[in-house]
Amino acid sequence: AQTVTQSQPEMSVQEAETVTLSCTYDTSENNYYLFWYKQPPSRQMILVIRQEAYKQQNATENRFSVNFQKAAKSFSLKISDSQLGDTAMYFCAFFPLNDYKLSFGAGTTVTVRA
Amino acid sequence: GAVVSQHPSRVICKSGTSVKIECRSLDFQATTMFWYRQFPKQSLMLMATSNEGSKATYEQGVEKDKFLINHASLTLSTLTVTSAHPEDSSFYICSARTGVNEKLLFGSGTQLSVL
Repeated sequence: AQTVTQSQPEMSVQEAETVTLSCTYDTSENNYYLFWYKQPPSRQMILVIRQEAYKQQNATENRFSVNFQKAAKSFSLKISDSQLGDTAMYFCAFFPLNDYKLSFGAGTTVTVRA
Repeated sequence: GAVVSQHPSRVICKSGTSVKIECRSLDFQATTMFWYRQFPKQSLMLMATSNEGSKATYEQGVEKDKFLINHASLTLSTLTVTSAHPEDSSFYICSARTGVNEKLLFGSGTQLSVL
């Protein structure tokens, strides 16, 4: 079974600053995807960024980037130039390609301060 | 574009009644759908995986007779909470595989409140 650990229950960041969310996972699988999802107060799950395990290059999506360390099983998310609309709960998720079940971490609540 | 439409968004029911939640895939065929449950300020817990035309696979600890899942077509999966009780009150979310680069789409969720 896969486990996903997010050790930071809450993070606060000043608008325009940078915040990094940590995520580690445990698996014996070699083929998988990793995701960061955002859940704002509306509770709609929104995909922020995706990383394929076979790719060494870290994924980036505008202000969002990841630091993927496969050997260390670490997958952190960096939010640059934080905006008020980034306030949400962020979930790290693991998706193995052998059974296609998404496992979520406990989540990190990010609050962006004006 | 491809969207997962989930209804209703909110339902309040009396204890002992059954409630049905629908998830429809729009502009794509969802061969596999997933149902999650989420308590306030907690993570999403996978309840079951449904494949079109076959019985759903339930996660350990999920009562299959309490949470009936039907995936009769490639665009519709339903979750029925039977004989609901207050402890079934929760936020339920569905998601579907689009089959494109393993992209998963989520419904907007259903808040179930059992009185």
